[in-house]
Amino acid sequence: TQLLEQSPQFLSIQEGENLTVYCNSSSVFSSLQWYRQEPGEGPVLLVTVVTGGEVKKLKRLTFQFGDARKDSSLHITAAQPGDTGLYLCAGDTDSWGKLQFGAGTQVVVTP
Amino acid sequence: GAVVSQHPSWVICKSGTSVKIECRSLDFQATTMFWYRQFPKQSLMLMATSNEGSKATYEQGVEKDKFLINHASLTLSTLTVTSAHPEDSSFYICSARGQGRAEQYFGPGTRLTVT
Repeated sequence: TQLLEQSPQFLSIQEGENLTVYCNSSSVFSSLQWYRQEPGEGPVLLVTVVTGGEVKKLKRLTFQFGDARKDSSLHITAAQPGDTGLYLCAGDTDSWGKLQFGAGTQVVVTP
Repeated sequence: GAVVSQHPSWVICKSGTSVKIECRSLDFQATTMFWYRQFPKQSLMLMATSNEGSKATYEQGVEKDKFLINHASLTLSTLTVTSAHPEDSSFYICSARGQGRAEQYFGPGTRLTVT
């Protein structure tokens, strides 16, 4: 059972468009992380959010953590083909540091 | 910083043989390491959690006698797939976490093909 619901599952957009990926749960997380994974490679950490209501920006990527620390969103402005990849959100729920992963959102940005 | 390596990056083995995959944290001490497997177009599935010097904790449905995990030092964990079968073919990824840190840093993965 996925504790983290990630949506949409797939997103295909043109270069220059904006997109948002959502990550929702009924559980409270002590932290939440966003990763991007390319085919045949391991996930690469993009950001960690810890505080409810927190907003972090990484160039054209904006990450938000919900006030109740149960949900998060990733917004990409003016997407580029290099943004193509599988985006994964993962919540930290216990002291062991086990991450609960969302199902992932496959983003394809075409020139 | 926070680099994790895996070796080998890919391996082909015959059914019935065993394969060992190494996971190393190169520039930090990993008090906890995690092993995942991933099927095509799917998310990561946690197999087990290991703390340095302790026995690994396996997720429900993962056979501990088949997937042997050793975390002998703060920079090295190994996963041995014993008596591999074609259904064990998958992409195996490790991650490492430093003490008191929330972030997990992932290795590049190992593609295992069992023929």
